[in-house]
Amino acid sequence: GEDVEQSLFLSVREGDSSVINCTYTDSSSTYLYWYKQEPGAGLQLLTYIFSNMDMKQDQRLTVLLNKKDKHLSLRIADTQTGDSAIYFCAEGGNDYKLSFGAGTTVTVRA
Amino acid sequence: EAGVVQSPRYKIIEKKQPVAFWCNPISGHNTLYWYLQNLGQGPELLIRYENEEAVDDSQLPKDRFSAERLKGVDSTLKIQPAELGDSAVYLCASSLAGSYNEQFFGPGTRLTVL
Repeated sequence: GEDVEQSLFLSVREGDSSVINCTYTDSSSTYLYWYKQEPGAGLQLLTYIFSNMDMKQDQRLTVLLNKKDKHLSLRIADTQTGDSAIYFCAEGGNDYKLSFGAGTTVTVRA
Repeated sequence: EAGVVQSPRYKIIEKKQPVAFWCNPISGHNTLYWYLQNLGQGPELLIRYENEEAVDDSQLPKDRFSAERLKGVDSTLKIQPAELGDSAVYLCASSLAGSYNEQFFGPGTRLTVL
């Protein structure tokens, strides 16, 4: 939605790190999420971060949150071909309503 | 554990025809969502159910769209009559009421209106 913005495309070489960026406008957001969507499939939750945190690491995934700038990023270390997908940033509050960005298409090249 | 099941996966209809989509959430999930995903966009919420009650249908175009979840389990989303602009993917998701609201998505129904 218009409240969440992401860059549309990212091309990365296999083995390199990918960084996907997102900005949001709702300062009352409680949780921020990263979802992955592969072709013909639904969205899969990759990770989330609570708004009072500034970093979360989960295996190859690192989420950074700059609450002052309302900026969220997802870093994927050692990017593999299986990481090629569309990645959606989403923000939500306590009302269970999520606002999604338009998605970043990540292409991993050999 | 079975995920969220949706059917059909694909549907092609002519404009002005009715169409219905079915969703079976993950067992035990009391919250069910219907989203609309246009090409190149993120999902947008149409309606959210808590058990059998529609607690947020503010984004559902009620002149042509309707939904039901009669027994608080599976749900049906209907469009009547369909318009060309309704061509999109309709996603269903479910969740347990919880602190971080992890929503599990089905594969979606891709609707093409000719």
